[in-house]
Amino acid sequence: GAGVSQSPSNKVTEKGKDVELRCDPISGHTALYWYRQSLGQGLEFLIYFQGNSAPDKSGLPSDRFSAERTGGSVSTLTIQRTQQEDSAVYLCASSLLGLTYNEQFFGPGTRLTVL
Amino acid sequence: AQSVAQPEDQVNVAEGNPLTVKCTYSVSGNPYLFWYVQYPNRGLQFLLKYITGDNLVKGSYGFEAEFNKSQTSFHLKKPSALVSDSALYFCAVSPPLSADGLTFGKGTHLIIQP
Repeated sequence: GAGVSQSPSNKVTEKGKDVELRCDPISGHTALYWYRQSLGQGLEFLIYFQGNSAPDKSGLPSDRFSAERTGGSVSTLTIQRTQQEDSAVYLCASSLLGLTYNEQFFGPGTRLTVL
Repeated sequence: AQSVAQPEDQVNVAEGNPLTVKCTYSVSGNPYLFWYVQYPNRGLQFLLKYITGDNLVKGSYGFEAEFNKSQTSFHLKKPSALVSDSALYFCAVSPPLSADGLTFGKGTHLIIQP
């Protein structure tokens, strides 16, 4: 079966533009996670979706970041008015039930570069 | 809040020798602990996890990890290193009742020299 897929694999944008990053989780996985990986901050947890439930947005770094998950499957992470400090690799992961002892399966990531 | 420390940025081991990558954690209650590996330009791959029970956990590619509650450690080990083990290794913790994602350490570059 297919793993977690993310698109685009690379995105270069100009400061101030909006970007959308997409994640397609493993079929049947109810939990979906977004993380950010950068040299300065390491791996940071951003947001978690369990099925169709409303997520806890407190981990998002600023109000320019938002995420949604439609139909309990595909998720998009949107960054508005991008800044250079948003440059990072954005990783998506899914797990079977979202239980905290379930291992997460990660996608290859989207490398975002803000010029 | 939970935290994970990986005290070594890089570990160098000769091929065929045993390897250890260190991890210590801080969390309220009993933790769930994980090791992931990241190869260049790839996402993270799950290696192994500790939930409860036997303190020695075996995982993929011949790796194992030992949970030590008194030392709050979860070191990753392998008896005989391969050049193909060279990668970036992350230790992570998930508190048992949290709906948040994993908290990761900073990662350790493992370099296996032929």
